[in-house]
Amino acid sequence: DVKVTQSSRYLVKRTGEKVFLECVQDMDHENMFWYRQDPGLGLRLIYFSYDVKMKEKGDIPEGYSVSREKKERFSLILESASTNQTSMYLCASGLRGGQPQHFGDGTRLSIL
Amino acid sequence: GQNIDQPTEMTATEGAIVQINCTYQTSGFNGLFWYQQHAGEAPTFLSYNVLDGLEEKGRFSSFLSRSKGYSYLLLKELQMKDSASYLCAVILRGAGSYQLTFGKGTKLSVIP
Repeated sequence: DVKVTQSSRYLVKRTGEKVFLECVQDMDHENMFWYRQDPGLGLRLIYFSYDVKMKEKGDIPEGYSVSREKKERFSLILESASTNQTSMYLCASGLRGGQPQHFGDGTRLSIL
Repeated sequence: GQNIDQPTEMTATEGAIVQINCTYQTSGFNGLFWYQQHAGEAPTFLSYNVLDGLEEKGRFSSFLSRSKGYSYLLLKELQMKDSASYLCAVILRGAGSYQLTFGKGTKLSVIP
């Protein structure tokens, strides 16, 4: 079974802090993705990566950056957290060719 | 832009059949996924359609018409545990890799 592990289930941070969300997958998948999920808005893609050190912007990249130094790990960085970044963050991984993505359990982030 | 429409909520009775529709208008199409998401949990993969027609998998079936930009998920012999959100996602081909664009999801409530 594919295992996608997110470092925290719940996280509380303060406005202006630099926040790191970590994601690790154990299936040697090329593609990794970061989404946020908000009531009434659904899942929205923030950034994705199709190889080590490669990244592409998704639909809502503003205020975020990412890092992929190793194939199994994909980090989402909130450079200066703001209250409108309070959300559920979901990491996913998948093979090339449009194969199904497998999701982590999510991190519920609150910015105070 | 990309547009994927699903009903927001549906209610059905235990043992019955329910059909959840998804219509899409996207720039490009490389297939469509259906995911199930229980409250507070990660989305899990249900089905994949890339060619026109019906794909059956146990109690769940999914249909695709590419010419109409339309898909549906059919759930038979509904059980209480089927109460969840159902997400339709279109596979798009980006510059570097594939990415998914999700609809906002349909919350299904199964009642006795």
